[in-house]
Formats: sequence, structure tokens, C-alpha cells
Amino acid sequence: ETGVTQTPRHLVMGMTNKKSLKCEQHLGHNAMYWYKQSAKKPLELMFVYNFKEQTENNSVPSRFSPECPNSSHLFLHLHTLQPEDSALYLCASSQDLGEGYTFGSGTRLTVV
Amino acid sequence: DQQVKQNSPSLSVQEGRISILNCDYTNSMFDYFLWYKKYPAEGPTFLISISSIKDKNEDGRFTVFLNKSAKHLSLHIVPSQPGDSAVYFCAASAERTGTASKLTFGTGTRLQVTL
Repeated sequence: ETGVTQTPRHLVMGMTNKKSLKCEQHLGHNAMYWYKQSAKKPLELMFVYNFKEQTENNSVPSRFSPECPNSSHLFLHLHTLQPEDSALYLCASSQDLGEGYTFGSGTRLTVV
Repeated sequence: DQQVKQNSPSLSVQEGRISILNCDYTNSMFDYFLWYKKYPAEGPTFLISISSIKDKNEDGRFTVFLNKSAKHLSLHIVPSQPGDSAVYFCAASAERTGTASKLTFGTGTRLQVTL
């Protein structure tokens, strides 16, 4: 148990579907993040939330829409995705950089 | 432009020997560096970190060295164990807002520790 739980673990969706990824942390952290990991690429930061406020949107297309209703929950709403959006989506939380991020196990997304 | 680079995609080391994983960065504003380990089907887990005011940090079998002038850091694992076989990511931070930190990651190095 990493302390950061992501659901679902795997998701296959069509390009016209709408789906949501969920992330939950019970570590008392105030910052939460979405990262994207594509094959042979570095982890790419998508969004940063600090005390429920979005502090970073790393030029992410609007077909990805984050939501942070409280410090423990983070969602990533997906709509009209493209096949190139297929990747591993990782959620993380942090309180103190000295302890690094705590990552979830990720959602493996396939867009068909 | 990739600001954190791990030029070796893979490394194979015999059990008991030293593993050295390297990382280079280009952004001189980076002041905090971290290493993460990732097993298949799991998220990355934090391993060790170093602040730019230090040049070495040690935690058990893991030591991270930082050479600021060369913009280079390395992770040494000694002795290497089969359970160390994983993908290792280097990450760096320059920006922090309250408790939030923006980490820039490298592409990872896959370490295989052989018997």
C-alpha cells in the first residue's frame, strides 16, 4: 500500500468516450500532481495542485480536465482523446520535497 | 528540450558489484535532486535525494553524488542485489510553491542485477 491509490488500473476507451481517472491519498499531503508517462519518454508533468488550488498547467490540451475537490482527492476527466494520449497516467502527492513524491501505481490508458 | 538526461537506457551489473547510474542536467536553477526506483506495474518510489548545498548523501547501500560544476549526479548502489533490478529515474526541482514542487524527470535507466 503506497498511500496513494489510483483507479482504475487499466482503461480502454474510444475517442468519443468520456471517462475519469481517480486518485486518492491518505497521507495528509497538501500537494497533488498528475504525470504522464509515454514509452521511452520522461515523466511529463501535467498538473499541480497545492492546497486544492491549481498552480501549474503544463500546456496540457483541454481534452484533459483536472479536478481537485479537496486535498485528498484528485481527478482527471478525459474526453475526445486521441490514440497518442495512450500512456501511463501517474498521480503523486507530496508534503515535503525532502521526502520526495509518493506515487500511485498509475492508470494504464489505451485510446482506440 | 530535455533538461534532465539519463543517457544510458540500460545497465547490467553482477550481484555484489557496484552499480553506477548517471544523470546530467542543463538547468542551473535546479537545486534539489532525487532518485526514484520503479518496478513494473507499480508507481515510482522515492529512493534518495540531495540538496545542491551538498555533494554527497548516503543511505545504506545507496549514495548519491552531485557535481554542480559539471551538472552531473550519480547514484551508486553497493553491493548490488537482484532485488535492485528496476528502472531508476533521476529528477530535479527548481520551483516550489508552498508544499508543491515541480519535478523534472529523466527517461530512466533500467538496471539488471545478475546472479
